[in-house]
Amino acid sequence: DARVTQTPRDKVTEMGQEVTMRCQPILGHNTVFWYRQTMMQGLELLAYFRNRAPLDDSGMPKDRFSAEMPDATLATLKIQPSEPRDSAVYFCASGLILGLAGGPGGELFFGEGSRLTVL
Amino acid sequence: AQKITQTQPGMFVQEKEAVTLDCTYDTSDQSYGLFWYKQPSSGEMIFLIYQGSYDEQNATEGRYSLNFQKARKSANLVISASQLGDSAMYFCAMREAQTSGSRLTFGEGTQLTVNP
Repeated sequence: DARVTQTPRDKVTEMGQEVTMRCQPILGHNTVFWYRQTMMQGLELLAYFRNRAPLDDSGMPKDRFSAEMPDATLATLKIQPSEPRDSAVYFCASGLILGLAGGPGGELFFGEGSRLTVL
Repeated sequence: AQKITQTQPGMFVQEKEAVTLDCTYDTSDQSYGLFWYKQPSSGEMIFLIYQGSYDEQNATEGRYSLNFQKARKSANLVISASQLGDSAMYFCAMREAQTSGSRLTFGEGTQLTVNP
């Protein structure tokens, strides 16, 4: 069963520390997304890639967040330095999106999420 | 303005009954897709059903159906014969062809509780 794999599942860290979250998208998917979920803001898009090229990272605080896709099997989201307000669940999702509106089969498949707590 | 509005923060339904979860959307695009996801307490996001803006028939997937009313810009999820395992948070989402590219914009969610 193909699935999106995220690590770590849970991370507790101290303010100021660097945090790196990793994602292995489903093989063959061309688009990879990073979302953040909090009680207050719900699901927010941070960044996404199409064929490994960054298409939009306007949802990320640029001074501390960075997202990369060094190869087709790995996407990373890095926070440096981390702050307590970064505490959230971070989801990676991938999809095979061919048309602009996606069409049938354009759904996103989500990983199980990385729960980050910054003390 | 909110792109996706889910007006029901919480809903309750008796087991084996049907329930409708509301979703309205706002877009000026002609081509868009609407999605519903389920998030159980374990946290994963599970895709349920998709409706394209040009689809003339309402989408159905097993016990899930989407009541798509384009003129009213609503895409309500209907769950028939509710089961205890349907208790979860449900999110409506939209992808707009011109405005938002490939991204999905999510609503705030509706927490569904199925009572035995």
